[in-house]
Amino acid sequence: SQELEQSPQSLIVQEGKNLTINCTSSKTLYGLYWYKQKYGEGLIFLMMLQKGGEEKSHEKITAKLDEKKQQSSLHITASQPSHAGIYLCGADTGNTDKLIFGTGTRLQVFP
Amino acid sequence: EAGVAQSPRYKIIEKRQSVAFWCNPISGHATLYWYQQILGQGPKLLIQFQNNGVVDDSQLPKDRFSAERLKGVDSTLKIQPAKLEDSAVYLCASSSPGPDTQYFGPGTRLTVL
Repeated sequence: SQELEQSPQSLIVQEGKNLTINCTSSKTLYGLYWYKQKYGEGLIFLMMLQKGGEEKSHEKITAKLDEKKQQSSLHITASQPSHAGIYLCGADTGNTDKLIFGTGTRLQVFP
Repeated sequence: EAGVAQSPRYKIIEKRQSVAFWCNPISGHATLYWYQQILGQGPKLLIQFQNNGVVDDSQLPKDRFSAERLKGVDSTLKIQPAKLEDSAVYLCASSSPGPDTQYFGPGTRLTVL
């Protein structure tokens, strides 16, 4: 059974548009990590959320954690071509610090 | 500060051959992870080390995969013999003990023909 679901699976937006990616866990979240990945490369850490209601921002990317819903959202404001890539959420479900990852959301931003 | 190093970046082999990947974690990080990422999927944990001990290898196909971290620093992941379904990106990550951020290397893309 899928423990961590991301939606949408892919997203194509025009430069300048806002977008939101969602990540929902079927298990209790002890921490939620967002990473970005360029095709075939390693994961780049974006931010970590641990407390219910926590919200963090870095440049034009904001992530929120809804502990009760076991859900996190990643919002990009005024998207740019440099935002293109695969966004992955990873959940710490309290089991030896290992992360369970979603299948990713592929984002394309066209000029 | 240097990041997680992995080599090689790319490897192409034929099925039934052997292959080995190397990872050097961030200095001072006691925990090291190996993940397998098949195209279109998220990374899946293969094995987790803390220092030179195995914490979790429940998803490692032990009939063909092996990993070691003898001195508690760098690590090697081996596949012997490789199968077509082993084609994937193999990612290494490291972190400090406890619920801490995992930092990833660039990965090794393995193609099995």
